[in-house]
Amino acid sequence: GAGVSQSPSNKVTEKGKDVELRCDPISGHTALYWYRQSLGQGLEFLIYFQGNSAPDKSGLPSDRFSAERTGGSVSTLTIQRTQQEDSAVYLCASSLLTGLDEAFFGQGTRLTVV
Amino acid sequence: AQSVAQPEDQVNVAEGNPLTVKCTYSVSGNPYLFWYVQYPNRGLQFLLKYITGDNLVKGSYGFEAEFNKSQTSFHLKKPSALVSDSALYFCAVSRNRAGYSTLTFGKGTMLLVSP
Repeated sequence: GAGVSQSPSNKVTEKGKDVELRCDPISGHTALYWYRQSLGQGLEFLIYFQGNSAPDKSGLPSDRFSAERTGGSVSTLTIQRTQQEDSAVYLCASSLLTGLDEAFFGQGTRLTVV
Repeated sequence: AQSVAQPEDQVNVAEGNPLTVKCTYSVSGNPYLFWYVQYPNRGLQFLLKYITGDNLVKGSYGFEAEFNKSQTSFHLKKPSALVSDSALYFCAVSRNRAGYSTLTFGKGTMLLVSP
């Protein structure tokens, strides 16, 4: 596609449920990032993929968070047993080769845990 | 670990006046520095980056940024602000290590340009 696509755009879930957030990066982009944006907290790094491997997953807040990337393309961020503090906008970005290249961001998934 | 500090939560400037949005960074080795902008209800957009070369980098929409190694700063500037520049601005740092580079963002600075 022309840009980074994220789905769903909005997700409301009950506390304790699992959610999956999807990111379709720009075709051919090797690097893929997940960030979380909370009000007043800026952009919090979660995980970085280079191809299908994740050399940096240091930002994942807990073991309830996991992510995978398949075929060097689509990535899924999974949050298990959601908590209210997980409510935020989850942003995905991709860049051509590495973090030294311009990153292109999706519109994000707004997650609300009730 | 690498980090970015944006000391101002908000910057207010009148239209036509020059603007500066501050950013300082901490990283081992050579830094790669970026500015992104987020307009209301829109995704983040790339403005400019510094990799190497001239310390003054020019980017989109008339913005520029000056890399200062001794002060570890990368302030964003524009000679004459527009109301349409009002948005949330993020500074980011990266470095090349072991063939990959994580992009770390600051908390963002809200720029408000008044008519």
